[in-house]
Formats: sequence, structure tokens, C-alpha cells
Amino acid sequence: EAGVAQSPRYKIIEKRQSVAFWCNPISGHATLYWYQQILGQGPKLLIQFQNNGVVDDSQLPKDRFSAERLKGVDSTLKIQPAKLEDSAVYLCATSLGMGGAGYYEQYFGPGTRLTVT
Amino acid sequence: GQSLEQPSEVTAVEGAIVQINCTYQTSGFYGLSWYQQHDGGAPTFLSYNALDGLEETGRFSSFLSRSDSYGYLLLQELQMKDSASYFCAVKSTFGDGTTLTVKP
Repeated sequence: EAGVAQSPRYKIIEKRQSVAFWCNPISGHATLYWYQQILGQGPKLLIQFQNNGVVDDSQLPKDRFSAERLKGVDSTLKIQPAKLEDSAVYLCATSLGMGGAGYYEQYFGPGTRLTVT
Repeated sequence: GQSLEQPSEVTAVEGAIVQINCTYQTSGFYGLSWYQQHDGGAPTFLSYNALDGLEETGRFSSFLSRSDSYGYLLLQELQMKDSASYFCAVKSTFGDGTTLTVKP
């Protein structure tokens, strides 16, 4: 099966500019996550969707970050305006969304490496 | 809230066995997962423990003790390609990872 697709792979922007990332999940995966991973740290959850509803966005900086999942499939994450500290890899992951191991086995996309100058 | 603690670095030689520990504090427990991430790559799922005990998958095994809020990942017959970062996770909360370096 095809994996999680993300684009772009790399992005360089200046602070105060805006940027958007796109994620296409594995077919049939109901749960979609966006993570921020800073070098040397573990992935940090930004937002979790179940189908097209938000399950958890408690760590999303809502003054500058937004995300949506249209029709429960593709998702976009936007940053506006970007700050220097937003430089990180943004990972999209998906899982089946059912109980048990299928829920907790997450499949990650290749990520988008964002550099804010 | 949830937090997970794991050692930052571990070094071992090829062919050896290494254990990476993880302790967690969670407001609700849903099982402990382990992921591997090579430099520049995406995390890949290794294992999931919902119940106490040892789960074995080839050279990798994972252990969980819910009463101790503790788990570990055991890697046997280490190979150079096992050099990577290893993360424990509870649901969508990840530890900061353990960098494993395998030396010849």
C-alpha cells in the first residue's frame, strides 16, 4: 500500500511569512496527526483528527497555526506568521483509528523540513 | 498530562544486546509504543505493549510493567543499521528519544 505523502519536503521562508504543508494519508486511515519535531527532540503533537473532526488540538499555537482535514482525507497545516522558533520538521502520521494496536500503530510521512530565517 | 523519560544516548558493539528503558507518567494509560528513526528519516513503528510482559518480534523485543510505569526495548544481535534514535510513546506523546550508536 502507498504510504503517507507529504509536500513540500523542504521549505525556507522568512519570519512573518506564511507557509502551508499538505498531507495525504494512507487510504482508509481515519486518524491523522500533525507533529512538530525539533532537532534532538521527540515528535510533539500539534493536532489530531478523527475523520474530519478535531480530537486534540491542545498544543496547537492557535494564534499562528491552523489545520484542517477536508472530507476526512487530505489535511493541510498552515503557519501564519512564522517565527524563527517554528524551524522544525513537520510530520504527518496516520493510523487506522480503531481500538487496540491498530489505533496506536502510526505511519509517518517523510516530513517537511521548515527553516525560518 | 503525560511525560516519558528515556536515556539520551546508548552505545554498543555489533552483535551485542542493548536495552533502552522508558518510564512514563500519564493521566491515563493506553499502552506503550516504540518507534525507530534514522537520521533524516521518519519514525517507523516497532512495537506496542498493552499488557504486562514481553513481546518479541525478531531481533527486537519490548517489555511492559504497568505497575512500575516502566518499559524497555531490547535489541539483540545488534547490526550497524540499528544505529538510530528510538522513541517510546504513549498514544501521541513521545519521549525525547535514545540515540543508539552501534560500533564495529
